[in-house]
Amino acid sequence: QSVLTQPPSVSAAPGQKVTISCSGSSSNIGNNYVSWYQQLPGTAPKLLIYDNNKRPSGIPDRFSGSKSGTSATLGITGLQTGDEADYYCGTWDSSLSAGRYVFGTGTKVTVL
Amino acid sequence: EVQLVESGGGLVQPGGSLRLSCAASGFTFSSYEMNWVRQAPGKGLEWVSYISSSGSTIYYADSVKGRFTISRDNAKNSLYLQMNSLRAEDTAVYYCARGPPIDYWGQGTLVTVSS
Repeated sequence: QSVLTQPPSVSAAPGQKVTISCSGSSSNIGNNYVSWYQQLPGTAPKLLIYDNNKRPSGIPDRFSGSKSGTSATLGITGLQTGDEADYYCGTWDSSLSAGRYVFGTGTKVTVL
Repeated sequence: EVQLVESGGGLVQPGGSLRLSCAASGFTFSSYEMNWVRQAPGKGLEWVSYISSSGSTIYYADSVKGRFTISRDNAKNSLYLQMNSLRAEDTAVYYCARGPPIDYWGQGTLVTVSS
């Protein structure tokens, strides 16, 4: 029962662009930094974006992140077959008396 | 190089217990917050628990509160998860993860709860 909503799947041809939305509320995205993770089949998740729009060292600039209000978006340009994976957003949530980290429902990216 | 290596997973009967460990290296473990995150077969990521760098602040997901206990030993660069009263729905790959922001993940250890 994730509190962050993502589309189940998105797809595009190689070289094209896709965007993945992540919808939350004021208790999570609205007041905290958002991160994005890529999970290739059979592997552990990998950090793609942190603090809404920052890329860790080694992550190509084809990946970008943005945040507006209670929603965040991951963009992938120049889509490659190696980008086929599940993508998750994540952020801290402070709606309860204790904190918790929450993940999005996940989006499967398919390269046509 | 940052490394997180989980161990301790396996097959356990419903109602049983298991203790997971995570060995950290390549960074100053005592300076970082840590988490356990799990992923049931074919499902999404679920955050399980958080512990501050000193161990003074701890949070749990409602689904494990009262059954799981997170702890750390900064002298041994290790993170732990004691899991009691295990249920079938606890079956998952359990990841040790540094953060937030969660920037490094271990390779995961599989916990299977079944009779």
